[in-house]
Amino acid sequence: DSGVTQTPKHLITATGQRVTLRCSPRSGDLSVYWYQQSLDQGLQFLIQYYNGEERAKGNILERFSAQQFPDLHSELNLSSLELGDSALYFCASSASSSSTDTQYFGPGTRLTVL
Amino acid sequence: GENVEQHPSTLSVQEGDSAVIKCTYSDSASNYFPWYKQELGKGPQLIIDIRSNVGEKKDQRIAVTLNKTAKHFSLHITETQPEDSAVYFCAAGITGGFKTIFGAGTRLFVKA
Repeated sequence: DSGVTQTPKHLITATGQRVTLRCSPRSGDLSVYWYQQSLDQGLQFLIQYYNGEERAKGNILERFSAQQFPDLHSELNLSSLELGDSALYFCASSASSSSTDTQYFGPGTRLTVL
Repeated sequence: GENVEQHPSTLSVQEGDSAVIKCTYSDSASNYFPWYKQELGKGPQLIIDIRSNVGEKKDQRIAVTLNKTAKHFSLHITETQPEDSAVYFCAAGITGGFKTIFGAGTRLFVKA
């Protein structure tokens, strides 16, 4: 158990809908990262937050947005969903914002868009 | 930009044999190299990491080697067991940088 929690575990929705994925980092960690993993694909970095502020952006679509709240939990919002958005979404946390800190991954949210 | 190439994409070995996965990075300033193991239906978990001030690190059956001159690092698993079957990701980070760059992953099958 990494100490990172993600809810929900599974999400099934229809095209055009909007969903929110939630992540709670390990106790004491200030950074939260979001990744997308499509079937048999690698980890695509979406976005990083550190202590409430956006720090780095990857290949995140304009339909997707994220935020980190004062209690350090983070939410990833996916809107106008398309079939191709079906994937595993992972959250990870680390102590600082540096890429030399170990990232601890949550169990993921499996999103299915029908 | 920074890139990490990982080979092979798939590796099949017999139980008890050794497995080697190789990664090459592009940014010579990279100085942190973690390896993650992802079992089916789970999130990636750190199994070992190495920093640029050392050339090799071991943890029981797992070892990582780093060649900074050639800009490549490798994961070695000895005496493989069926429970080693998983997807393995290498990654590279830079002090002061924000984005950890991941390789594409290697799917390891250990046949009993």
